[in-house]
Amino acid sequence: SQTIHQWPATLVQPVGSPLSLECTVEGTSNPNLYWYRQAAGRGLQLLFYSVGIGQISSEVPQNLSASRPQDRQFILSSKKLLLSDSGFYLCAWSAQGLNSPLHFGNGTRLTVT
Amino acid sequence: AQKVTQAQTEISVVEKEDVTLDCVYETRDTTYYLFWYKQPPSGELVFLIRRNSFDEQNEISGRYSWNFQKSTSSFNFTITASQVVDSAVYFCALSGVTGNQFYFGTGTSLTVIP
Repeated sequence: SQTIHQWPATLVQPVGSPLSLECTVEGTSNPNLYWYRQAAGRGLQLLFYSVGIGQISSEVPQNLSASRPQDRQFILSSKKLLLSDSGFYLCAWSAQGLNSPLHFGNGTRLTVT
Repeated sequence: AQKVTQAQTEISVVEKEDVTLDCVYETRDTTYYLFWYKQPPSGELVFLIRRNSFDEQNEISGRYSWNFQKSTSSFNFTITASQVVDSAVYFCALSGVTGNQFYFGTGTSLTVIP
């Protein structure tokens, strides 16, 4: 069966510090991978998605970047965090194809102080 | 443009009451998929159901049922005999013809009062 791992679960970082959140998927090949952010208002904002290694689509201009160095690994990064980067970050995967749902990781709660 | 609207921001019901969560979508695609997700207080989003645009049959799974109506572009979710464990934020989502992008509503926070 497929599983998705996302870490860390919580993170407190000072303003201006770098960020690296990692997500890996097991049990499937060539998944679509996604990073979402959920701010206090509860809505889900798509940040990045990837349909293959090295292929990253950015949905919102921001202080963040994403990379996909391996087929089942998706990394969210920032060189310098801003206060506004605080939120709940969710990694997700879906299988290639129209009828595949998103499957989410447990999320990372990031607080920038 | 693809858009999902969940007009109900927060709903409170007393345990054992039935509750319906509304979802209205917009899309120009003729082939699309609709989803419902549950986000309990723990934070993880749990997939509940997927429905394609060619299948308008209603679906029932235990206390959960879904009513898909293309004529009104709605995909509503009903919980029968609600329980405290149903308290969560529920998201409706739409996936278009590419299958790579998902559009989420803003969610409905359901509180079931014991």
